[in-house]
Amino acid sequence: GDSVTQMEGPVTLSEEAFLTINCTYTATGYPSLFWYVQYPGEGLQLLLKATKADDKGSNKGFEATYRKETTSFHLEKGSVQVSDSAVYFCALEGTGRRALTFGSGTRLQVQP
Amino acid sequence: DAGITQSPRHKVTETGTPVTLRCHQTENHRYMYWYRQDPGHGLRLIHYSYGVKDTDKGEVSDGYSVSRSKTEDFLLTLESATSSQTSVYFCAISESGGSSYEQYFGPGTRLTVT
Repeated sequence: GDSVTQMEGPVTLSEEAFLTINCTYTATGYPSLFWYVQYPGEGLQLLLKATKADDKGSNKGFEATYRKETTSFHLEKGSVQVSDSAVYFCALEGTGRRALTFGSGTRLQVQP
Repeated sequence: DAGITQSPRHKVTETGTPVTLRCHQTENHRYMYWYRQDPGHGLRLIHYSYGVKDTDKGEVSDGYSVSRSKTEDFLLTLESATSSQTSVYFCAISESGGSSYEQYFGPGTRLTVT
């Protein structure tokens, strides 16, 4: 079945550092890929998505490129802020499905 | 913010008791979902609905049932709660299925089964 693997956290960075959170997936067909963010005490919010190979999703300075050859969708940001501290989830929607498969989440802590 | 509420927000119950969680939306979206969130597992789909009285199982549906008699309400029932069902439960809604439609999540219900 479909699965998503994320790097273990927590990831601790200083403000203005470069961020990469790795995400790889296993799925048949051509899934759509997502990054969701969960701030403390809240539900998940869509951060960005990509629906086909080589697409780049971007939002709020975050980017991720759908790499079919490496089955990856790594999240990057050039300069993180304290306000980016949250849990980040990579997810996919498989071909023909109507629900998401999530990775285990990666907690990001940004220190001033 | 999408109009999604969950009730109760927190609940402590004893093993063997029935529990019903409610998700209510004001967006008139067709799809509704129940997920559970556990450390090390991310979110896992329990059940989802693609219309009134139309539901389907997710990957962790054992021990759970759902009902949707109105577009705006999606109920999750634990017939006989067990400690393994201690979790945070999230409801989500989507205008339709497919990646073109964003899923919006509610604030979550923290359930503790003692």
